[in-house]
Amino acid sequence: GENVEQHPSTLSVQEGDSAVIKCTYSDSASNYFPWYKQELGKGPQLIIDIRSNVGEKKDQRIAVTLNKTAKHFSLHITETQPEDSAVYFCGLGTSGTYKYIFGTGTRLKVLA
Amino acid sequence: EPEVTQTPSHQVTQMGQEVILRCVPISNHLYFYWYRQILGQKVEFLVSFYNNEISEKSEIFDDQFSVERPDGSNFTLKIRSTKLEDSAMYFCASSWDRGMNTEAFFGQGTRLTVV
Repeated sequence: GENVEQHPSTLSVQEGDSAVIKCTYSDSASNYFPWYKQELGKGPQLIIDIRSNVGEKKDQRIAVTLNKTAKHFSLHITETQPEDSAVYFCGLGTSGTYKYIFGTGTRLKVLA
Repeated sequence: EPEVTQTPSHQVTQMGQEVILRCVPISNHLYFYWYRQILGQKVEFLVSFYNNEISEKSEIFDDQFSVERPDGSNFTLKIRSTKLEDSAMYFCASSWDRGMNTEAFFGQGTRLTVV
């Protein structure tokens, strides 16, 4: 079945530096790759997503890259700010299923 | 901006009691989901619902769980006889497309504590 692995589990960066979080998946039928940000005590919120017909997508300081051959996708945050501190989850949508599955999460700390 | 709303925000219940968690999905969405997050762990899929029936469910979603869309706006999760291990944050989500390639919008969650 579908599975997604996420690394690292925790990440500390200095303010202004970049952060990269990577997820790998196993099912080649997976075709939708969202990234969610979860702040303390809140529900996950989508920050960026990418579909399987695109290799890269950027939205201001956030970008996502997808390597379908290697079955991995990554979140890139540049010029990190303290408010970027949160837990980030990668997600997976797969044709023929009626669910999204999520990675184990990365706790990002941006140090001022 | 449309949002998914969940009530209550926090529910405390005695072990063995029934609980109903309530959700109002975004109005033009067609697919509805419940997820669970045990403290500090990943967000786990429980069940998806479309056209008034369950589309898919996980191993977690056993006979103690049920879902219902009693009217045109509410979507509920019932746990018949709660166990200590049911303590978690429960998130409702909705999406408008069946292709699993559009955004799922999540509510703020209901924290369920079973004592």
